[in-house]
Amino acid sequence: QSVLTQPPSVSGAPGQRVTISCTGSSSNIGAGYDVHWYQQLPGTAPKLLIYGNSNRPSGVPDRFSGSKSGTSASLAISGLQAEDEADYYCQSYDSSLSGSVFGGGTKLTVL
Amino acid sequence: QLQLQESGPGLVKPSETLSLTCTVSGGSISSSSYYWGWIRQPPGKGLEWIGSIYYSGSTYYNPSLKSRVTISVDTSKNQFSLKLSSVTAADTAVYYCATLTPRSCFDYWGQGTLVTVSS
Repeated sequence: QSVLTQPPSVSGAPGQRVTISCTGSSSNIGAGYDVHWYQQLPGTAPKLLIYGNSNRPSGVPDRFSGSKSGTSASLAISGLQAEDEADYYCQSYDSSLSGSVFGGGTKLTVL
Repeated sequence: QLQLQESGPGLVKPSETLSLTCTVSGGSISSSSYYWGWIRQPPGKGLEWIGSIYYSGSTYYNPSLKSRVTISVDTSKNQFSLKLSSVTAADTAVYYCATLTPRSCFDYWGQGTLVTVSS
C-alpha cells in the first residue's frame, strides 16, 4: 500500500489527452510539499519528468504538464504519442515518515 | 552532467548483507547541492525510497527499513554505499542510486542493478 495513491492504469489514443492523479494526505502533498513525476520506459531507470509540481526539466516536451491542489496532484499528457507508453510515478516528501514517498505507479497504454 | 553507476554482487544469500556502491562522475559528491539516495524496485512493482545521505554524513532512512539499512559516503572515492542486512527474498529488486535535490526530487539516476536474494 503506497502512501501516495495513483490509478493502476490509464489509456488513450494517439493525439488525445490523458491525466494521471496522485492523491496524498495532510502529511505530504496537503502539507505543501512539492510533487514530482517520473516516467519509466520498459527496462530503464525512471526519468524526472516534472519537478516542483509543475516545472519541466530541460528537454521534456511541453506536452507534459503538472498541477497540484490540496492533497492531490495531476500529470497531464496532451497529444499522446506511442513513445509515451510507460509507467508514471508521483513522489513527494512525507513529514510523518521524514522521507520521500512514491505513488504505486500508473501504466499508460497508447491504444 | 552527473553520472551515477551502481556496482555490487547480483546474488546474495538469505540472512546475509547486501552491499552496493554508487560511483559518481561529472561532479563532486561533496557538493552542497545534493543529497545522495538509494531507491529500489522489486520485479514488476513500484518504487521504494530506501534512504539518503548528505556529504557530511547525515542520513535519513525509510522507517520500514531503518533497522537493517546503513548508507555511508566516501568523499575520497566520490562514492556512496548501501548496506542492507538480514536480507530475504522480499529484498530482491533493482536497486537505483540517485541524486536528491533540495526540492526533494531525484533528478539524476543510475541505470540500476538487479540484486537477487536466493540460496
